[in-house]
Amino acid sequence: AQSVAQPEDQVNVAEGNPLTVKCTYSVSGNPYLFWYVQYPNRGLQFLLKYITGDNLVKGSYGFEAEFNKSQTSFHLKKPSALVSDSALYFCAVRDGNNAGNMLTFGGGTRLMVKP
Amino acid sequence: NAGVMQNPRHLVRRRGQEARLRCSPMKGHSHVYWYRQLPEEGLKFMVYLQKENIIDESGMPKERFSAEFPKEGPSILRIQQVVRGDSAAYFCASSPLGAGRDLVFFGPGTRLTVL
Repeated sequence: AQSVAQPEDQVNVAEGNPLTVKCTYSVSGNPYLFWYVQYPNRGLQFLLKYITGDNLVKGSYGFEAEFNKSQTSFHLKKPSALVSDSALYFCAVRDGNNAGNMLTFGGGTRLMVKP
Repeated sequence: NAGVMQNPRHLVRRRGQEARLRCSPMKGHSHVYWYRQLPEEGLKFMVYLQKENIIDESGMPKERFSAEFPKEGPSILRIQQVVRGDSAAYFCASSPLGAGRDLVFFGPGTRLTVL
């Protein structure tokens, strides 16, 4: 079984400040981790993924995430938030040892960036 | 290269009617996934299909829901005798065969409203 927890329903940050959106996961095998962003009435857009290699992953729009195996976390970060970053963010995990590609998503975190 | 296409984008049905949701994967993708997003919730996996095969349907409700991905044409998610609780956004995703299949692309979704 695999699961994802996003402990914050909403994160508020001022434009220009750094942002962090938290994610912790549970998976029995090898964790493959993903972040997606969803704008209103749109589908999910891929931001970044961790499969193997460097624990710090850089993705689209200046976002990055850090894989921490001991804390089973994959927090999303950005050094300087933009108002246009306001959206719903989803963390997802799948078991890399599983031939299927079923992603399990967290409940989502709404990011609000105020001018 | 067009992305994942879903139609209709919005679908309104009365209780007891049938809903048919269509998904055309990205060109060259042979894996299709359906997810459901209830209001203010994350995405829940429903079913994973390859051409003419259901690989994993562990997230599908046991009754009224079915899915197919024929050799020719789009993938279809069919909901018979819809109830109000079926109102949700249904997202289709696709991925390519082979090493690239860790990257999953999502369609814009079909928003089903049951009156």
